[in-house]
Amino acid sequence: DIQMTQSPSTLSASVGDRVTITCRASQSISSWLAWYQQKPGKAPKLLIYKASSLQSGVPSRFSGSGSGTEFTLTISSLQSDDFATYYCQQYNRYSPTWTFGQGTKVEIK
Amino acid sequence: EVQLVQSGGGLVKPGGSLRLSCAGSGFTFSNFWMTWVRQAPGKGLQWVGRIKHKPDGGTTDYAAPVKDRFTISRDDSKNTVSLQMNSLRTEDTAVYYCATDVGSGLEGAYDIWGQGTMVTVSS
Repeated sequence: DIQMTQSPSTLSASVGDRVTITCRASQSISSWLAWYQQKPGKAPKLLIYKASSLQSGVPSRFSGSGSGTEFTLTISSLQSDDFATYYCQQYNRYSPTWTFGQGTKVEIK
Repeated sequence: EVQLVQSGGGLVKPGGSLRLSCAGSGFTFSNFWMTWVRQAPGKGLQWVGRIKHKPDGGTTDYAAPVKDRFTISRDDSKNTVSLQMNSLRTEDTAVYYCATDVGSGLEGAYDIWGQGTMVTVSS
């Protein structure tokens, strides 16, 4: 199975900061990577798909990049609504199972 | 409105069984793969398994921790996907979500999620 490793596990930041979260795959997944935001008690919300495509309705301060095994999610200017936990997910259509990273919690500094 | 509405869940003893259901509306249910994801209390998201649509064979795949204990099925006539959970263990305690990728071009990134349902396995 493909393993996904996110870093850091926790990130402390202030409103207006530029924030970057990294996700590494144990083998190449091309661009089959999504990023989600989850707030307590809520279902995850899709932010980015195919590594760098912005989901409809998601603010442009969110961006994704990478391919193969290394990926990043960047929030260009952190807003108060962005304090949440973020997950990457590989969805290589040719893999029998899909997996999530362990999550990155973005906290108020 | 495109949505997934879940039912089922609750408290069950170790070794017991439980069935969750997820009903889709607002989209052509039979056209999409359906997935189950779970989240143990205070933990991260865990992909549980999926069922493909009929054109792709309607086959299922499962994560290793649930393989041979959980079964996903679908009834496209009722726009419903189910998760049958047998031989439940305390470590299966989690909120269970159904999810799918309705939006154009997503191909596996989940834009539609159910509201989640809690399963507690405890004696």
